[in-house]
This record gives sequence, C-alpha cells and structure tokens, in this order.
Amino acid sequence: ETGVTQTPRHLVMGMTNKKSLKCEQHLGHNAMYWYKQSAKKPLELMFVYSLEERVENNSVPSRFSPECPNSSHLFLHLHTLQPEDSALYLCASSSMNPGNTIYFGEGSWLTVV
Amino acid sequence: AQTVTQSQPEMSVQEAETVTLSCTYDTSESDYYLFWYKQPPSRQMILVIRQEAYKQQNATENRFSVNFQKAAKSFSLKISDSQLGDAAMYFCAYRNNAGGTSYGKLTFGQGTILTVHP
Repeated sequence: ETGVTQTPRHLVMGMTNKKSLKCEQHLGHNAMYWYKQSAKKPLELMFVYSLEERVENNSVPSRFSPECPNSSHLFLHLHTLQPEDSALYLCASSSMNPGNTIYFGEGSWLTVV
Repeated sequence: AQTVTQSQPEMSVQEAETVTLSCTYDTSESDYYLFWYKQPPSRQMILVIRQEAYKQQNATENRFSVNFQKAAKSFSLKISDSQLGDAAMYFCAYRNNAGGTSYGKLTFGQGTILTVHP
C-alpha cells in the first residue's frame, strides 16, 4: 500500500464506450500524473497536474481527457478508444519538490475490444 | 530531450548471488535525480533507490546500491545477496530539476527483467 489507489484495476471496453479511470492519493501530495505502460515500450508520461492545474500534456489524443477536481483525485476519461490504447495506466503523485519520490498506484489494466 | 537506456532486456541471478543492472542516460542538465524502480508481477512501481546528481557518494539501501558515474552518465544498480522476492522488472528513471520546476516528470528506461533462480 503506497497511498495511491486506482480503480478499476481491470477494465474492458468497446471502442464506442465511455468510461473513466479514477485515482486517489492519501499522501498529501499536490502533483499527480498519468503514465501509460504498453508492452515493449518505456513508460510514457501522459499528463501532469500541479496544484490541480494541468501543466503538461504530452501530445495525447483527445480521446483521453484528464480531470483533477482537487489535489487528492485524478480521473482519466476515456471515449472512442482504439485497440492500440490497450495498456496499463498508472497514476502517480508527488510533492512539489522535484527531488521527492513519485509514488505509483497499482495501475488499471485497460483492454479495448 | 533526456533519454534513459537500459541495454539488458533480461538478467538472471542465483539466489544469494550478486547482480548488476546497467543504465545510461543522456542529459545536458547538471542538476537532476536518478531512480531505480521495481515492478513485480503485481505491476505496482516501487522505489528501490534514488541518487541526487550533486552528491558524489553512491546511494545504498540495505542490499541495493548504485554506482553513479556522472561524467560517463552511468547509473547501475547492484543487488547483493539476491532473494526470490527480488524477481521483477527494474526500471531506471531520470528526473530533472532544471529552472526550479515545481514538479518533475520521470523519464524511464525500457526496463530489465530480473529472474532469480533458487
């Protein structure tokens, strides 16, 4: 238990569905991240929120839509995904000091059929 | 842009033996942090060890130690007295501190799968 909780752990969705991934951190951090982990590729940073403001968006397709309503919660809204979007989506959080550790959740396995 | 390279897709070690995982990185920055994360089959990324670039002394955490060669941009992880529970994917990661950025993003290597044989 690292203090970062992701739900659901597994999600199967059709290409026309709309679903959301949820992340909650109990560590008092003020920066949150979404990473994508695909087979045979390095982890890719998707989004960064600092003090509930999006500070980075790494050319992620608009079918992925993040939301950070407060410093403890982060969502990733999914719609009209493609099969190649199937991956492990990892949420993480940290404090503002870049030297501090980034803590990860256990990930949400997404399969797009 | 910063890049992190792990040239060993897979490594194996006998229980109780020592293994070293390699990592090199490329950056033009002088102030940054390096990390080794472990990802067991549960898929949770767990921090193993971290190194501040401005510190010359190599970090150690129990059976885990690093060999940080700043000039060579090399950051290897040594696992001593390997245990079955050490079996996992290991990722090397870089995080810069350029310009006093109030947050930092991790750049990961491709990972090394470590197998521990009993």
